[in-house]
Amino acid sequence: SQQGEEDPQALSIQEGENATMNCSYKTSINNLQWYRQNSGRGLVHLILIRSNEREKHSGRLRVTLDTSKKSSSLLITASRAADTASYFCATVPGTTGANSKLTFGKGITLSVRP
Amino acid sequence: DSGVTQTPKHLITATGQRVTLRCSPRSGDLSVYWYQQSLDQGLQFLIQYYNGEERAKGNILERFSAQQFPDLHSELNLSSLELGDSALYFCASSGNFGQFFGPGTRLTVL
Repeated sequence: SQQGEEDPQALSIQEGENATMNCSYKTSINNLQWYRQNSGRGLVHLILIRSNEREKHSGRLRVTLDTSKKSSSLLITASRAADTASYFCATVPGTTGANSKLTFGKGITLSVRP
Repeated sequence: DSGVTQTPKHLITATGQRVTLRCSPRSGDLSVYWYQQSLDQGLQFLIQYYNGEERAKGNILERFSAQQFPDLHSELNLSSLELGDSALYFCASSGNFGQFFGPGTRLTVL
């Protein structure tokens, strides 16, 4: 079953613009992780945010977590054509340890137009 | 490069056959996870091993089995293959900073 639900399902922006993707989940979490997948290829780990954290940054990426709303957002600033990919959020349940299975959302397709 | 390796990259086989997918986790990681990605089911957790022992099971079919060896590499065995088993199979290992995925094995059942 899908725990995370990403929104929107697809996003098309111009190079240089910011891209914001949202993820909502249903049950308590230990942590939430964002991944990128280029067409049919492997999953690249972008960032992990723990349930007691509210915001994390990594380069052009900014992730926020609101546990009261059970939601997270991924912001990519100054997007590039190379950011075109599918983005997934995935959660680790709060009832298990940090090193437990991930439950994935269906993903967001981001297209960055040159 | 995540540090997780998977072989083979591609596998084409016929219905009814059996295949073995292999995974080596990142150095130092004790946990190995297997996931299946298909168009209709998305990314689904199959099974987790920790230091040689089965830790958690997801929606893994009875025709599928896995094991983790003393050197921590893992194998996923898929038998009596059906057309619907065609998918990308990922292995991942985890440490303190998240779960890192291998490049996947694309299985095509004809």
